[in-house]
Amino acid sequence: NAGVTQTPKFQVLKTGQSMTLQCAQDMNHNSMYWYRQDPGMGLRLIYYSASEGTTDKGEVPNGYNVSRLNKREFSLRLESAAPSQTSVYFCASSERAYEQYFGPGTRLTVT
Amino acid sequence: GQQLNQSPQSMFIQEGEDVSMNCTSSSIFNTWLWYKQDPGEGPVLLIALYKAGELTPNGRLTAQFGITRKDSFLNISASIPSDVGIYFCAGHTGANSKLTFGKGITLSVRP
Repeated sequence: NAGVTQTPKFQVLKTGQSMTLQCAQDMNHNSMYWYRQDPGMGLRLIYYSASEGTTDKGEVPNGYNVSRLNKREFSLRLESAAPSQTSVYFCASSERAYEQYFGPGTRLTVT
Repeated sequence: GQQLNQSPQSMFIQEGEDVSMNCTSSSIFNTWLWYKQDPGEGPVLLIALYKAGELTPNGRLTAQFGITRKDSFLNISASIPSDVGIYFCAGHTGANSKLTFGKGITLSVRP
């Protein structure tokens, strides 16, 4: 049972480039989340999807877009990457808001 | 907005010692959770607490849901080197699909 998978694991972008981070879960969870983690800042919510067909902004949504492609998949897009978006990105899923299960993360560097 | 306070940011203990961490808030939460993040990995759920006053064990770990519903505690007994990592508390109010996370405590265990 894979749980939550994320691709890619590592990525280096130049300022202004775009990319999409992929996330998939096989636990049939309704809710999915994208977080970023920076040193000393903990986990900050970027966007979430409470159920298929809905998305909502979290604490730090600027510079990002999301797509809930289906119940399994939730992608995060950076349209024009900036150095301030250098971070580790985690996807999570849950049946209800609590007991979230996290993926292994994507380590993104923007130069 | 709601905040969860975890301090200190780092703790250093000797192998075999017990350690206690707490998480406090000015807001009431209906569910408290404790996560652990190993270096280079995503957070993993350790213990979920659903009832004020509840004391829940998980091996050498024990977590408690504070009676005021504004705090929670995590105790680790007889620490071992693999206890190293970042420990996050999280709370859910029941009002929406989001968790509120603390900034985490980095635990180091000296052999």
